[in-house]
Amino acid sequence: ILNVEQSPQSLHVQEGDSTNFTCSFPSSNFYALHWYRWETAKSPEALFVMTLNGDEKKKGRISATLNTKEGYSYLYIKGSQPEDSATYLCAQNSGYSTLTFGKGTMLLVSP
Amino acid sequence: GAGVSQSPRYKVAKRGQDVALRCDPISGHVSLFWYQQALGQGPEFLTYFQNEAQLDKSGLPSDRFFAERPEGSVSTLKIQRTQQEDSAVYLCASSWGADTQYFGPGTRLTVL
Repeated sequence: ILNVEQSPQSLHVQEGDSTNFTCSFPSSNFYALHWYRWETAKSPEALFVMTLNGDEKKKGRISATLNTKEGYSYLYIKGSQPEDSATYLCAQNSGYSTLTFGKGTMLLVSP
Repeated sequence: GAGVSQSPRYKVAKRGQDVALRCDPISGHVSLFWYQQALGQGPEFLTYFQNEAQLDKSGLPSDRFFAERPEGSVSTLKIQRTQQEDSAVYLCASSWGADTQYFGPGTRLTVL
C-alpha cells in the first residue's frame, strides 16, 4: 500500500511571496510522480509528471524537483499571484496506472 | 479540444436512492479511471477500465458500487441504495495509456 503525504495542509501567503510545498512517498516500486493543480469548481489540471531521480521541471513561475531515493518532491511557486490560489495535489503510480494521491496543500494568495 | 466531461455536476439523493454518474472521456483515450474524494481527503481510486474491460475494481467500497464502459468510451458509475458515507466528489479521468491522466470537474454527491 502506497502512502503519499503532503505538507503543509494549507498555506496563506501575500501576492509576490515565493512558496514551496512538500510531497513524500515510499521510494520502493517508484514509477512516476504527478503534480496537479485543482481550482474550485474546475477540473484538476496536470502540472508535471516526473520519473527520474534528480528531475527538475518548470512551467512559468512553477517548478518541481524529484528525489526518488529519499522519496520526496518539492513544488515551488515564485512570486505567487492570486490566480495561483488552488489545491495542489501530488500523486504516485508504481508501474500500474492507478494514482495514489496525497491529501493536497491548499494555497491561498491574498492581493 | 474537448476535455473530460462529467454529469451531473451536482447530485442530491435521499438515503436509499440509486444514482448514476456519467463520464465522457477524451476521444481516443484507452484508459478510464474513477476516483472518490471524501471531504478532507485526497482522491482515492475506485476502478479502472482499459477500453471496455474493467481491469481493476479493487477500490469499489462495497457491492453497491458498480461501473461500466460498454463500448469503450462513455462510462457510468452507479451507486445503489446510497448511504450518507457515499457523499463525496466523484472524479473521472482518462489517459492514452499509463500516461498523464486528464480529469473531469467531478460530480459532487450529497446523500441526505
